[in-house]
Amino acid sequence: QSVLTQPPSVSGAPGQRVTISCTGSSSNFGAAYDVHWYQQLPGSAPRLLIYANSDRPSGVPDRFSGSKSGTSASLAISGLQAGDEADYYCQSYDSSLNAWVFGGGTKLTVL
Amino acid sequence: EVQLVESGGGLVQPGGSLRLSCAASGFTFTSYAMIWVRQAPGKGLEWVSSISGTGASTYFADSVKGRFSISRDSSKNTLYLEMHSLRADDTAVYYCAKYRVVVAAPAEYFQHWGQGTLVTVSS
Repeated sequence: QSVLTQPPSVSGAPGQRVTISCTGSSSNFGAAYDVHWYQQLPGSAPRLLIYANSDRPSGVPDRFSGSKSGTSASLAISGLQAGDEADYYCQSYDSSLNAWVFGGGTKLTVL
Repeated sequence: EVQLVESGGGLVQPGGSLRLSCAASGFTFTSYAMIWVRQAPGKGLEWVSSISGTGASTYFADSVKGRFSISRDSSKNTLYLEMHSLRADDTAVYYCAKYRVVVAAPAEYFQHWGQGTLVTVSS
């Protein structure tokens, strides 16, 4: 079981908006550590998608947005495209484990 | 352009050893902390080890502590992961990645990733 909890899968039709949740605890998000998100396309390495809760690296479309509140965080993807089909991972730091931690990953299917 | 190229993966027997390398280019190597992250077949991402830009500070996941070591050679712009006493559950694709800053600070994230190298531990 991952320290950060994500739904195993989400789906949406092209053009729709989906959200992916990431639930933490008092030793990570509750301790004010930021959440970061990565996208892993099939057969590829992970790619930084969102950092520091809601910032986007250059080159990431503004269809991707992130937020964090208390011990939960979420990634929203609007205007879904077929090319968004991928696994998405949240990441933070856990002060109880003294470890950088990842969520279990969420597989996004575009219907 | 930042490039990270892992190598050294392969098939190794349980109890064996392997050294992974990550050749870095496109940035000032000593100015950034580095990390190894692994992904078992069909599974999620798992932090393995981190090292500061100077190499003075190193960190390990409990699952590899005492078996793995991390180092870096600034003359070769290369990151290493030395793995010993390998077990079947070490089977994974191992990625190296670059932090945003010179220290492996808790709040940090991983800006750039290599394509990974597959390690298979099996008899």
